[in-house]
Amino acid sequence: NAGVMQNPRHLVRRRGQEARLRCSPMKGHSHVYWYRQLPEEGLKFMVYLQKENIIDESGMPKERFSAEFPKEGPSILRIQQVVRGDSAAYFCASSPGRQVNNSPLHFGNGTRLTVT
Amino acid sequence: AQTVTQSQPEMSVQEAETVTLSCTYDTSENNYYLFWYKQPPSRQMILVIRQEAYKQQNATENRFSVNFQKAAKSFSLKISDSQLGDTAMYFCAFMMGGGSNYKLTFGKGTLLTVNP
Repeated sequence: NAGVMQNPRHLVRRRGQEARLRCSPMKGHSHVYWYRQLPEEGLKFMVYLQKENIIDESGMPKERFSAEFPKEGPSILRIQQVVRGDSAAYFCASSPGRQVNNSPLHFGNGTRLTVT
Repeated sequence: AQTVTQSQPEMSVQEAETVTLSCTYDTSENNYYLFWYKQPPSRQMILVIRQEAYKQQNATENRFSVNFQKAAKSFSLKISDSQLGDTAMYFCAFMMGGGSNYKLTFGKGTLLTVNP
């Protein structure tokens, strides 16, 4: 049973380019969460999605960032016109249902984005 | 808003000895969950241990145990018989209970080095 799969593992973009980060949840999981880890910081919540729905995007920057989780395929975190401050590790987690207290989040290995 | 504080940026311990990592949090909620996650150099976030706030008994998982002091809002992690593989960043995290129990709030982490 494969875990949460994120790709690419490393992504380098020049300022102004677009970054697309992909996340395939664990089999049977229909809830996906994105977190960002800035250098020397803990992870910070960005967005929570179910299939075809954004449930909570309270942690997403208002501009340039968007996320989707289509009916088919992986969840995508998209960052347009990247800036150096977007350099971070982006983690995806999944759960089978909304109530995660009894079924802890399973994290992927993250995508490290470097903006040059 | 909830906050999680880890006051020890770095710690070290000799192999086979015991080490305690500290964590304090601030919340006005009564129903919540606390977690310790381990992040080795591979960058994967691995759940180490979990504590429900309504349980008075401290959680234990093999060599890992917690000292949960609800009144003091303290949640320390004790690692016994430290092993070289325990070298990692350790993050304390908080999650509210009820309908919002999907969002984790992390501390900044403690880098633990186990020396041979």
